[in-house]
Amino acid sequence: NAGVTQTPKFRVLKTGQSMTLLCAQDMNHEYMYWYRQDPGMGLRLIHYSVGEGTTAKGEVPDGYNVSRLKKQNFLLGLESAAPSQTSVYFCASSYFRPRNNEQFFGPGTRLTVL
Amino acid sequence: GENVEQHPSTLSVQEGDSAVIKCTYSDSASNYFPWYKQELGKRPQLIIDIRSNVGEKKDQRIAVTLNKTAKHFSLHITETQPEDSAVYFCAAIRGYSTLTFGKGTMLLVSP
Repeated sequence: NAGVTQTPKFRVLKTGQSMTLLCAQDMNHEYMYWYRQDPGMGLRLIHYSVGEGTTAKGEVPDGYNVSRLKKQNFLLGLESAAPSQTSVYFCASSYFRPRNNEQFFGPGTRLTVL
Repeated sequence: GENVEQHPSTLSVQEGDSAVIKCTYSDSASNYFPWYKQELGKRPQLIIDIRSNVGEKKDQRIAVTLNKTAKHFSLHITETQPEDSAVYFCAAIRGYSTLTFGKGTMLLVSP
């Protein structure tokens, strides 16, 4: 099993450009998440999904959109990138279990917006 | 919503010493508290977790304690080794909601 994979691993964008980050998991997890990690800020939740066709906002959703058309995939879109979106993005997935929802993380995508 | 405070932000110890990282949470209904370890350039990985009906849990050299009354929980690493050097994140969750992470503690173990 590949677990959680992310594409691409690195990307450099210019301000105003758009891009989509792809997350895929092969563990049949119901929940999927997108986080951003910035120095000294920990992991902050951008958006999440509790199942195919559903999405919800997290702590820092502004400037991002998501879609979950298939259970195994979760896409994160930046419509008009800004330098403040320079960060490392992690996708994660978990089962639908309260008090036991270990999250499995992908390897991360390092995004730089110039 | 939930708020998780984590201290210290950095911690330096000598190999063989013990290390303690502390977290406090705000939502008294939170009932699951995982700890993740993130090595440099790698993804976070779960190392231990504790549920609200348990006061302490051990797994070899690591242990976690939970004080529900004071709303704080701690990670204890004994006999630290250089490979324990990493960033450690605590987190808290209530029911079916989403995890709230602390800001992380960078642990450096010197040989």
